[in-house]
Amino acid sequence: DQQVKQNSPSLSVQEGRISILNCDYTNSMFDYFLWYKKYPAEGPTFLISISSIKDKNEDGRFTVFLNKSAKHLSLHIVPSQPGDSAVYFCAASARYNNDMRFGAGTRLTVKP
Amino acid sequence: EPEVTQTPSHQVTQMGQEVILRCVPISNHLYFYWYRQILGQKVEFLVSFYNNEISEKSEIFDDQFSVERPDGSNFTLKIRSTKLEDSAMYFCASLSLAGGREQYFGPGTRLTVT
Repeated sequence: DQQVKQNSPSLSVQEGRISILNCDYTNSMFDYFLWYKKYPAEGPTFLISISSIKDKNEDGRFTVFLNKSAKHLSLHIVPSQPGDSAVYFCAASARYNNDMRFGAGTRLTVKP
Repeated sequence: EPEVTQTPSHQVTQMGQEVILRCVPISNHLYFYWYRQILGQKVEFLVSFYNNEISEKSEIFDDQFSVERPDGSNFTLKIRSTKLEDSAMYFCASLSLAGGREQYFGPGTRLTVT
């Protein structure tokens, strides 16, 4: 099941710089997209979401961009902080069932 | 702040044994889910549950798996005869739909099958 793809398994950035995490999807029925943050031995924590009727959603240091024509979304974290170090999962759902499909995750490391 | 809780946090069982993983979703949520994550791999959808019945299930959710909402608060996942490859973190999630479509996850149960 490769409906949601995160092609970068890891990303390392310097504190204070921008982190950009990317995600692609294949199912055109997806109309709601989410980013979750996950620490080891914990459940995924909801971070930010975007509906397909928008192309940008911002919440503090976190911004999600959606490019529907390219079936691509990205999460920007500005400025990055060491506490942002975690695995970030992209997820998508379709209105007809609300079941989510996850990408494989990107491990973000923010270096002090 | 309301949260999803799961018990136990870690379950060790022998191959062939039955296990029941328990979840208490957020109280006003109506949709319930189970996911699993095998070590180092992606979070995989298992099953969704709404209005006391399964709405959708993945190919992973075979006849060895079942879900139940035995009362107004608990949501359980039963694995009838565990296999070594069932070893994973199992996450419960719930959804309200009153706002957005964000699912809220519990802390997970680590299942180890020996």
